[in-house]
Amino acid sequence: EPEVTQTPSHQVTQMGQEVILRCVPISNHLYFYWYRQILGQKVEFLVSFYNNEISEKSEIFDDQFSVERPDGSNFTLKIRSTKLEDSAMYFCASRPTGLGEQYFGPGTRLTVT
Amino acid sequence: GIQVEQSPPDLILQEGANSTLRCNFSDSVNNLQWFHQNPWGQLINLFYIPSGTKQNGRLSATTVVTERYSLLYISSSQTTDSGVYFCAVEDYNNDMRFGAGTRLTVKP
Repeated sequence: EPEVTQTPSHQVTQMGQEVILRCVPISNHLYFYWYRQILGQKVEFLVSFYNNEISEKSEIFDDQFSVERPDGSNFTLKIRSTKLEDSAMYFCASRPTGLGEQYFGPGTRLTVT
Repeated sequence: GIQVEQSPPDLILQEGANSTLRCNFSDSVNNLQWFHQNPWGQLINLFYIPSGTKQNGRLSATTVVTERYSLLYISSSQTTDSGVYFCAVEDYNNDMRFGAGTRLTVKP
């Protein structure tokens, strides 16, 4: 069964560094999402992406964040200058249309020191 | 935005017991999913259930859209069922919001 994959599974970075989290959505899916979960808290929506542009973003998704679909398979989340409070689990999700079930990846645990 | 409330926040069971987890939401939804977060932090999709009833083995779920709630039933619980269960709903603006979760502990 096709699944969403994410790399790396765990990333450790120093404050102020740039990080890129990578996701490979399911191949025929057209809608892509990033979510964040700070340890012990609920999962929060960051951004949705369709047709090579952002459809919606939350107030968390400020100027330090960006998303890109650099080729036909990858979907990336870039954090320009990481802060300690960016430490969290980041989940990618995708689905074939704008409605229906979202398929989640296994997550990338980001630790900012 | 839409509000999602899950209850109870914590639940401790003896192995073999049954349980019911509840998810209330404040507005009409076009998507509702239940997830189990395992000890490694992965979100395992249990059900996509915007309405009606579904069953998968020992788990089943029901969503009553007119009354704005969903229930997740776990029967004959096992220690491997332990973890956090999240309900997530999506409103007609396509904003997906998660509840705070129910932390289930199943003791042997």
